[in-house]
Amino acid sequence: GAVVSQHPSRVICKSGTSVKIECRSLDFQATTMFWYRQFPKQSLMLMATSNEGSKATYEQGVEKDKFLINHASLTLSTLTVTSAHPEDSSFYICSATRDRGDSKIHSSTDTQYFGPGTRLTVL
Amino acid sequence: GNSVTQMEGPVTLSEEAFLTINCTYTATGYPSLFWYVQYPGEGLQLLLKATKADDKGSNKGFEATYRKETTSFHLEKGSVQVSDSAVYFCALSSSGGSYIPTFGRGTSLIVHP
Repeated sequence: GAVVSQHPSRVICKSGTSVKIECRSLDFQATTMFWYRQFPKQSLMLMATSNEGSKATYEQGVEKDKFLINHASLTLSTLTVTSAHPEDSSFYICSATRDRGDSKIHSSTDTQYFGPGTRLTVL
Repeated sequence: GNSVTQMEGPVTLSEEAFLTINCTYTATGYPSLFWYVQYPGEGLQLLLKATKADDKGSNKGFEATYRKETTSFHLEKGSVQVSDSAVYFCALSSSGGSYIPTFGRGTSLIVHP
């Protein structure tokens, strides 16, 4: 169990277009999902925390109008890169923490379940 | 604030060699500690975790012991295989504040036949 999928796995787009990336928890509910960005040979940079039914919480330095996050259901969060530019090219990874029954409270012992990532290339 | 420091890579080993990847941390409260593995072109997978001092996490022949006195969580494996080639990330999640994990920079492991 605890599978997270991302779609698409790879996307190439022209500069100025918008790209939507989906993150789905396939066999569990996730009130909270996370979006990360990873540059080559570097660690993950947390971009934002996506909360079902409310606005996302963005990390310092991440433009919320540039990276639109929508968490419409307990199993789906989307990241839209608006007006993409070459510097937005990166590997985007989402993760989710499994809800415990009706509780939406998480703890430090919870495991993050990661999606396989989306490689975005902006020409 | 929280931070995780991992040894710089790449670590290059021959098959069946002993592996150690060092990880030390700074955290508030009583953190949980994790090792994640990332195979080429894929997302991260949990390898093992430990949630309190002196706990040992283990999986697929890998082990790491939560050492509070040295604030360390070193990853070890007695005999590596070519299929273990990947990037390994040490991470912590602190009980003292947000539970969102903090990741180290990752250590690339290359195992030669």
